[in-house]
Amino acid sequence: NAGVTQTPKFQVLKTGQSMTLQCAQDMNHEYMSWYRQDPGMGLRLIHYSVGAGITDQGEVPNGYNVSRSTTEDFPLRLLSAAPSQTSVYFCASSYSLGQVYEQYFGPGTRLTVT
Amino acid sequence: GDSVTQMEGPVTLSEEAFLTINCTYTATGYPSLFWYVQYPGEGLQLLLKATKADDKGSNKGFEATYRKETTSFHLEKGSVQVSDSAVYFCALSGLNTGNQFYFGTGTSLTVIP
Repeated sequence: NAGVTQTPKFQVLKTGQSMTLQCAQDMNHEYMSWYRQDPGMGLRLIHYSVGAGITDQGEVPNGYNVSRSTTEDFPLRLLSAAPSQTSVYFCASSYSLGQVYEQYFGPGTRLTVT
Repeated sequence: GDSVTQMEGPVTLSEEAFLTINCTYTATGYPSLFWYVQYPGEGLQLLLKATKADDKGSNKGFEATYRKETTSFHLEKGSVQVSDSAVYFCALSGLNTGNQFYFGTGTSLTVIP
């Protein structure tokens, strides 16, 4: 199993450009999430999905869109990049055993917006 | 809402020293608690977890005990190694929002020989 994969690893955008961060998992996990990691702020949830066709907003959703057409893929779209979106982005997938969840992370995408 | 407060870093220790990283939480009911570790340039990896009060999670010499009375889940290791240098995150998964994880701000640990 590859686990959770993310592409690209690094990206530089100009303000106003759009792009899609790719995330895929091969563990057949029902749940997937996108986080951003900023210095001194830990990880903050952007969007999450509880299954194909179902998505919801997290703590910091503005400026981002997601869709979940398959169990495996959960892309994150930046509509019009802003310098405030400079961050490291992590995708995660999770499964539950009863009421206990375990979450697995991808290696991250480091995004710089100039 | 649910939240995690974690000891600020950075922490620098000599090899074989004792490590404690404090973590307290706010949540309704009995959340699941986790410690994740992030090595430079990598994603987060699950280090250990505990799912009910008084449970002790352990892995690779690290331990943490779920203390309901003090709402704490402190990470400890008796003798750290240089290879333990990383950023450590405390996290919780809420009773009613299990798929949503809440993370602390992370504590950077550097172990010097």
